[in-house]
Amino acid sequence: QKEVEQDPGPLSVPEGAIVSLNCTYSNSAFQYFMWYRQYSRKGPELLMYTYSSGNKEDGRFTAQVDKSSKYISLFIRDSQPSDSATYLCAMSALGTDTGNQFYFGTGTSLTVIP
Amino acid sequence: GAGVSQSPSNKVTEKGKDVELRCDPISGHTALYWYRQSLGQGLEFLIYFQGNSAPDKSGLPSDRFSAERTGGSVSTLTIQRTQQEDSAVYLCASSSRVFYNEQFFGPGTRLTVL
Repeated sequence: QKEVEQDPGPLSVPEGAIVSLNCTYSNSAFQYFMWYRQYSRKGPELLMYTYSSGNKEDGRFTAQVDKSSKYISLFIRDSQPSDSATYLCAMSALGTDTGNQFYFGTGTSLTVIP
Repeated sequence: GAGVSQSPSNKVTEKGKDVELRCDPISGHTALYWYRQSLGQGLEFLIYFQGNSAPDKSGLPSDRFSAERTGGSVSTLTIQRTQQEDSAVYLCASSSRVFYNEQFFGPGTRLTVL
């Protein structure tokens, strides 16, 4: 079983739609949860960073973490064509037995159609 | 300020040749990571440097892979006797000691082994 599971999509939505992206994980020691956006032929860029459970909002983006279910989500409101990219979740448990590693999902490819 | 830079951006080599990939992290960032990203795969952790500590090499897939970081700044990833399965995008990321969960990625080096 992979440490982090993420549906690769592809996901295609009309402009203005609400997008929901999700990841599940198996290691209960994970404490830090990140979402990255990666445009084609570019490196990933950090979008959201959450510690432990709860919600975090930044503009049109909301990150949710449910540690009891080992499930994290990223919501994008009023999606725009410029949001078309691959979204990767990542998590870590720095300072525990998992060492210094960050564990990434495979990424979900999103296309927002004008 | 300048972000993480990597060179070359593209590298095509023949099977059996050695290659060197370079990463220049953000100035002042003490942590440096190398990842490999293959089509349809998530980011695969390769190696981690933190300041002057011994690197975490637990992700290196074989002894053909090695990396060094000189003066706590520039890092070089070397792949000896390249194989076709080494073809991938190699990404470098750096982070500060304080905000170690916030990784900043370079654009990557796309390696093709013929």
